[in-house]
Amino acid sequence: QVKLQQSGAELVKPGASVKLSCKTSGYTFSTSYMSWFKQIPGQSIEWIGMIYAGDGGTGYNQKFKGKATLTVDTSSSTAYMDLSSLTTEDSAVYFCARGGRVSDYWGQGVMVTVSS
Amino acid sequence: DVVMTQTPVSLSVSLGGQTSISCRSSQSLVHSDGNTYLYWYLQKPGQSPQLLIYKVSNRFSGVPDRFSGSGSGTDFTLKISRVEPEDLGVYYCYQGTHYPWTFGGGTKLELK
Repeated sequence: QVKLQQSGAELVKPGASVKLSCKTSGYTFSTSYMSWFKQIPGQSIEWIGMIYAGDGGTGYNQKFKGKATLTVDTSSSTAYMDLSSLTTEDSAVYFCARGGRVSDYWGQGVMVTVSS
Repeated sequence: DVVMTQTPVSLSVSLGGQTSISCRSSQSLVHSDGNTYLYWYLQKPGQSPQLLIYKVSNRFSGVPDRFSGSGSGTDFTLKISRVEPEDLGVYYCYQGTHYPWTFGGGTKLELK
């Protein structure tokens, strides 16, 4: 079955960067899109962007350009998201999910806390 | 960006009862390809969102027929009949027609 396993919770200092991972199994990663989402606890969800694993082509929500960078490693069927220049406003749960325009299977989410 | 407005913000429902959630978009969600990319998700407490309905009215794999979606253009509805305990959580509408994709603010379904 389709599985997306995300890396563990992160506590990072303001100004630092963090790289989140999303290891997949149960489907053909190299011909699929992966999307990433942000959810501040108690709030709605924002779409960050998507990447096509076949060629690494990306599309971003303008709001997250310069903040998030999406990459993939097809040899390990893993997607990554780099978040840079972190501030307290980046503290949130981040999800990876299979799909571009719509996501059908989601990772469990990872909490990123930005604090000094 | 397309604004998705859900009403109500919260709902109280009895087990076995019926309810509906409204979602209105700030622009028509009819894509130039003729499809309407309106979806519904349920996020149960402490879990990831799960896809219920795709392209307005199609149930995703494994979703019971108690869930039904309808609507067109800018106005959409999710109906839930014979509510069960596993249906409780926050429901989100979501559009994939206009970049960037956007979610509604959510509707919390609780037991009466």
